[in-house]
Amino acid sequence: DAGVTQSPTHLIKTRGQQVTLRCSPKSGHDTVSWYQQALGQGPQFIFQYYEEEERQRGNFPDRFSGHQFPNYSSELNVNALLLGDSALYLCASSLPTYEQYFGPGTRLTVT
Amino acid sequence: QKEVEQDPGPLSVPEGAIVSLNCTYSNSAFQYFMWYRQYSRKGPELLMYTYSSGNKEDGRFTAQVDKSSKYISLFIRDSQPSDSATYLCAARAGGGNKLTFGTGTQLKVEL
Repeated sequence: DAGVTQSPTHLIKTRGQQVTLRCSPKSGHDTVSWYQQALGQGPQFIFQYYEEEERQRGNFPDRFSGHQFPNYSSELNVNALLLGDSALYLCASSLPTYEQYFGPGTRLTVT
Repeated sequence: QKEVEQDPGPLSVPEGAIVSLNCTYSNSAFQYFMWYRQYSRKGPELLMYTYSSGNKEDGRFTAQVDKSSKYISLFIRDSQPSDSATYLCAARAGGGNKLTFGTGTQLKVEL
């Protein structure tokens, strides 16, 4: 049984560019949440998707947007990248309000 | 003030020691409490998931929640070098998926 998968593993972008990160949830899960983890910090909640809609959002600007597909996979899009967006981006899948299981993350470096 | 506070360590113990990891929280709406283990450059791995106050045991791990004092603990018995990792506590309110994390405690178990 495959766990949560994320792609790509690593990504280097330039300030002002746009990036798309992808996540496939664990089999049987229909809810995807995205988190940003800066070096030496705990993960910070970006948003949650369920039934292809954003259900809950953390304190992140509109430059961060997402999408969920009918097969429950999800994308995180970040526009107008800033140096401060450099972080590990984590996807977690679950059933709604149940335990969340994290993927390995995508490490984004903005130069 | 952060909603979940955690001593970042590092904490170094000899193999076989009992390890005590602790967090405090300030949001009275938190009802679900988790501990995750994160190895370097990997995604967090769910260790323990508890609801409200009380104890939960799973092998060498015991999680304790005291809602009256807003205190969360994780005990690791017979610690092993493979337990060396960063341990993250997290909490969630009743509705939604948003997890609020502490900064993580870095643990090193030495031979």
